[in-house]
Amino acid sequence: QQQVKQSPQSLIVQKGGISIINCAYENTAFDYFPWYQQFPGKGPALLIAIRPDVSEKKEGRFTISFNKSAKQFSLHIMDSQPGDSATYFCAAVSGGSNYKLTFGKGTLLTVNP
Amino acid sequence: DAMVIQNPRYQVTQFGKPVTLSCSQTLNHNVMYWYQQKSSQAPKLLFHYYDKDFNNEADTPDNFQSRRPNTSFCFLDIRSPGLGDAAMYLCATSRDNGDTEAFFGQGTRLTVV
Repeated sequence: QQQVKQSPQSLIVQKGGISIINCAYENTAFDYFPWYQQFPGKGPALLIAIRPDVSEKKEGRFTISFNKSAKQFSLHIMDSQPGDSATYFCAAVSGGSNYKLTFGKGTLLTVNP
Repeated sequence: DAMVIQNPRYQVTQFGKPVTLSCSQTLNHNVMYWYQQKSSQAPKLLFHYYDKDFNNEADTPDNFQSRRPNTSFCFLDIRSPGLGDAAMYLCATSRDNGDTEAFFGQGTRLTVV
């Protein structure tokens, strides 16, 4: 059972464009939603995260939009740059004593110069 | 400076020959995780330690074992590697259970021949 569904699987954007990656979840116990960025040959690194009591969070060119009623959240990368080319994973965490990241399947983003 | 260090970066082992992957952390975090990531897939949690308490995922094969002799070190033992165990193995840490950031190492790429 895939608890976090992520789309698209791959995305090609021109430099300066907006990259949008979408995720949906099923488990209403999830209460923390991080996005991880992974470059080839490296481990994932936290990019930005949101809790469900907030509808939007922005950090520089990266914005998370969160729709609690629809159980959906998305990552927007404004002014996309070639250096943003990486795999992006959305994830979800349920609170409590058993912290586990449940990852989406990932989106391979390519930003063309 | 690297905070979660995995050794080796690349490991080649023979089919059925036991292999150990290591992870060390300088963050003094309570929790350490092992993830398996196959090509173009999301990381999949194998197990994690909260201090000395071991938590195994229900679908983690018995072939995979782990040891945490102290706060700083954690080992992944694969008792009889099969071809299907070829993957990137990621170690991660977090300060505590809850909505805290997980820090990943660069991973060990395991090849089974």
